[in-house]
Amino acid sequence: AQSVTQLGSHVSVSEGALVLLRCNYSSSVPPYLFWYVQYPNQGLQLLLKYTSAATLVKGINGFEAEFKKSETSFHLTKPSAHMSDAAEYFCAVSTSGGSNYKLTFGKGTLLTVNP
Amino acid sequence: NAGVTQTPKFQVLKTGQSMTLQCAQDMNHNSMYWYRQDPGMGLRLIYYSASEGTTDKGEVPNGYNVSRLNKREFSLRLESAAPSQTSVYFCASRSRLAGNNEQFFGPGTRLTVL
Repeated sequence: AQSVTQLGSHVSVSEGALVLLRCNYSSSVPPYLFWYVQYPNQGLQLLLKYTSAATLVKGINGFEAEFKKSETSFHLTKPSAHMSDAAEYFCAVSTSGGSNYKLTFGKGTLLTVNP
Repeated sequence: NAGVTQTPKFQVLKTGQSMTLQCAQDMNHNSMYWYRQDPGMGLRLIYYSASEGTTDKGEVPNGYNVSRLNKREFSLRLESAAPSQTSVYFCASRSRLAGNNEQFFGPGTRLTVL
C-alpha cells in the first residue's frame, strides 16, 4: 500500500525567505508524485508532478521539487517566499496502472508568509 | 472549458435528510473521483469511477452512494446525513491517456449536517 507523510502541519516563513515543505512517501512500486496547492475556499491546483523523467521537477509560481529515491522523499522548495504563496500544500503519491489508479494524499502543510 | 464543476457550493442539512452532490466535467476524462476533506486529515477518497459504467469504493465509503450517470457526470448521494459527514467534498477527474496522471479538481461543496 502507498502512503504519504508530510512533516509539519504548519510552516511559517518570512517574505523573501526559503520555503521548504517536506514530503516522504512509501510505495512498493515506482511512484508518481504530485504537489497540489489549495488557496482559501478553493479547490486543489496542481503545482508540479514527478513521473519518472527528470528527478528535479519545476512547477508553477517558482516552486520545484526533487525526487530522491534513496530517501523516499519529494520535498517542495521555493527560493524566495511571496505573500501570495500563503496556502495549504498537499503531497500525493500514485502508483501507475490502469483502471485502479488512485491518489493517496498527505495531511497537508499550511504555509504562512509573514511580511 | 469549465473543467470540473460541482453543485451546490454550500449546503446545510439536518440529521437524517438526504441529498445528492452533483459533479460534471467537460474534458472528456474517463475517470472520476469523490473526496472529502477534513481539517488535519488531508483528502480521503470516498468512491471512484474508473470509466463509465463502473464504480468502486475508496477509503471512506460508508454512508455514501455514487452514480456514474454518463461519461461527464458523477454524483454522490447521502441517503441519511449524519453530523460526521460535515465536510468539504471535492470531485476530480482524470484522463486515462498514457502518461497523464494528473487529477483535476472542482471547487468543492461545503456541507454542514446539524
